[in-house]
Amino acid sequence: QLLESGGGSVQPGGSLKLSCAASDFTFSAYAMSWVRQVPGRGLEWVSSIRGSGATTYSADSVKGRFTISRDNSKNTLFLQMNNLRVQDTAVYFCAKSVGASDAYDLWGQGTMVTVSS
Amino acid sequence: DIQMTQSPSTLSASVGDRVIITCRASHSISGWLAWYQQKPGKAPKLLIFDASNLESGVPSRFSGSGSGAYFTLTISSLQPDDVATYYCQHYDTYPFTFGPGTKVDI
Repeated sequence: QLLESGGGSVQPGGSLKLSCAASDFTFSAYAMSWVRQVPGRGLEWVSSIRGSGATTYSADSVKGRFTISRDNSKNTLFLQMNNLRVQDTAVYFCAKSVGASDAYDLWGQGTMVTVSS
Repeated sequence: DIQMTQSPSTLSASVGDRVIITCRASHSISGWLAWYQQKPGKAPKLLIFDASNLESGVPSRFSGSGSGAYFTLTISSLQPDDVATYYCQHYDTYPFTFGPGTKVDI
């Protein structure tokens, strides 16, 4: 399973670090991603990281502000979010890739991030 | 970036109906497409990956087809538990964009 934490309320320009604790699978063998969803709206891919952690990808909307990372020794995925904007307000999900495919077969329950003055 | 569109945006059908949702990509994505089901307040659930592979545990009334830039999700006999929003997502090249969703109700 995947269990996110670290969400909360922050002012514009602030920072938050999300965590996603993984269990019951070999964490280091799978790419992991963050996907967000504004309440009542659609899904937006945010960032992905390969199993080794050596390669990362991010959406243009967060590039230079958000950093995805992982600690395979602790089976944990992170998303460091800096210079937060009002439009970053959303539920953030972590998700595991299938393996041979980059579809997401396991999702966390989501953690809410609210950016407001 | 590859853009994804879905149609219809909403649909209402009866129990037992055959339902088809379409997803189009702005460029060919081969078969690198997934379908997800999302119910209110819940995380998305993978239904179909690689365009036509049924995820383990998903009822066989769900099926996916297509390749290139045109894909479909079919529910062969709509059930009350299928009320949800359905999203397609490509994973051909980053960014892995999602379609805008199709809301299905009965």
